[in-house]
Amino acid sequence: AQTVTQSQPEMSVQEAETVTLSCTYDTSESNYYLFWYKQPPSRQMILVIRQEAYKQQNATENRFSVNFQKAAKSFSLKISDSQLGDTAMYFCAFMKRRSNTGKLIFGQGTTLQVKP
Amino acid sequence: DTGVSQNPRHKITKRGQNVTFRCDPISEHNRLYWYRQTLGQGPEFLTYFQNEAQLEKSRLLSDRFSAERPKGSFSTLEIQRTEQGDSAMYLCASSLYLGQGIFYEQYFGPGTRLTVT
Repeated sequence: AQTVTQSQPEMSVQEAETVTLSCTYDTSESNYYLFWYKQPPSRQMILVIRQEAYKQQNATENRFSVNFQKAAKSFSLKISDSQLGDTAMYFCAFMKRRSNTGKLIFGQGTTLQVKP
Repeated sequence: DTGVSQNPRHKITKRGQNVTFRCDPISEHNRLYWYRQTLGQGPEFLTYFQNEAQLEKSRLLSDRFSAERPKGSFSTLEIQRTEQGDSAMYLCASSLYLGQGIFYEQYFGPGTRLTVT
């Protein structure tokens, strides 16, 4: 069975600074997807960034980038130039490609507060 | 398209009552997922549909839970004889799946928060 672990329950960062959220996962699969989702307070979850395991290049979306270390089973999210709107709960998620179900396995989440 | 919608947004019920939630996915999406999220935790997969077919159910989905997606459009999740442990946020997500293990983004609804007293 796959597991996803986020070891940082809460983090804070000053506006305009950079913060890195950690995620590790456990799987015997070789072909899978990894995601970071953002859940703002009382709002719906949205996809921040996605990484396909067979791609060595780290995904980047504007101020968001990942550090994907497949051998170490690590998938961290870096947020550059943090903004107040980045305040949210962030979830790391895993999807096995082979099963074709598309179900997501989430970590416990990290609450990020961006301070002015 | 206004995205995935869920109704009601909040539901308070007494233990032992039945409740039903509705999810309206993005219209062209053939996949629909239900997740449960307890306070301070990540969502956990409950079940999913491809069109009208329910293809997988988690062990979390006890016999008191039933989900349907008639005609492959909206979906309902019913909980019978609710228990306090059912209190959670129930999230619905939809996506497009075109086969061969190629997945597109899951879009989430705002959730239905259930409180069982």
